[in-house]
Amino acid sequence: DTEVTQTPKHLVMGMTNKKSLKCEQHMGHRAMYWYKQKAKKPPELMFVYSYEKLSINESVPSRFSPECPNSSLLNLHLHALQPEDSALYLCASQDYSYNEQFFGPGTRLTVL
Amino acid sequence: RKEVEQDPGPFNVPEGATVAFNCTYSNSASQSFFWYRQDCRKEPKLLMSVYSSGNEDGRFTAQLNRASQYISLLIRDSKLSDSATYLCVVSPSNTGNQFYFGTGTSLTVIP
Repeated sequence: DTEVTQTPKHLVMGMTNKKSLKCEQHMGHRAMYWYKQKAKKPPELMFVYSYEKLSINESVPSRFSPECPNSSLLNLHLHALQPEDSALYLCASQDYSYNEQFFGPGTRLTVL
Repeated sequence: RKEVEQDPGPFNVPEGATVAFNCTYSNSASQSFFWYRQDCRKEPKLLMSVYSSGNEDGRFTAQLNRASQYISLLIRDSKLSDSATYLCVVSPSNTGNQFYFGTGTSLTVIP
């Protein structure tokens, strides 16, 4: 089973709201990622957790706050976002055995 | 220089045609190579990992040329359902957390 799940599928929020995106995998993968993807562009790396520790933070603004409660879960907390943050937010997990990444279906975020 | 470069296309080909995409990478020490397929407004899905000896999966063949630092994807007997964006992804190691994405090549298969 190569399934990564993400909730919610769609999210509309105002610039003063606080919301969270959730990602889950039960494949035993020990690395999990957040990417941001704009239309007609490749995914852009935001954060990586490896063995539940933050290993890469690509200078993402502090209005995005990641959290890895355990090896199966990854959250992205959102606060005071800007309209330009509207995008598809993708979670991925990595199988270290083959170095392959598997993506979840994404959360389509609109900031008004 | 970008880590990974792809011809963005678009490639418009008739059903049944053979089409090939290339992708070049700048780091000669790169270790892992992948092709992903992404449908409009969906997530990227792993199509194939690319091995040094090349690999084939049905109508799809991937090749790695380390000397020239490129990978290729060949699609034979194109189907309408092959229409998508194909992303080339390269990683500098077999165990790290860094993956570099190409900008993607758009393919439309025409009836």
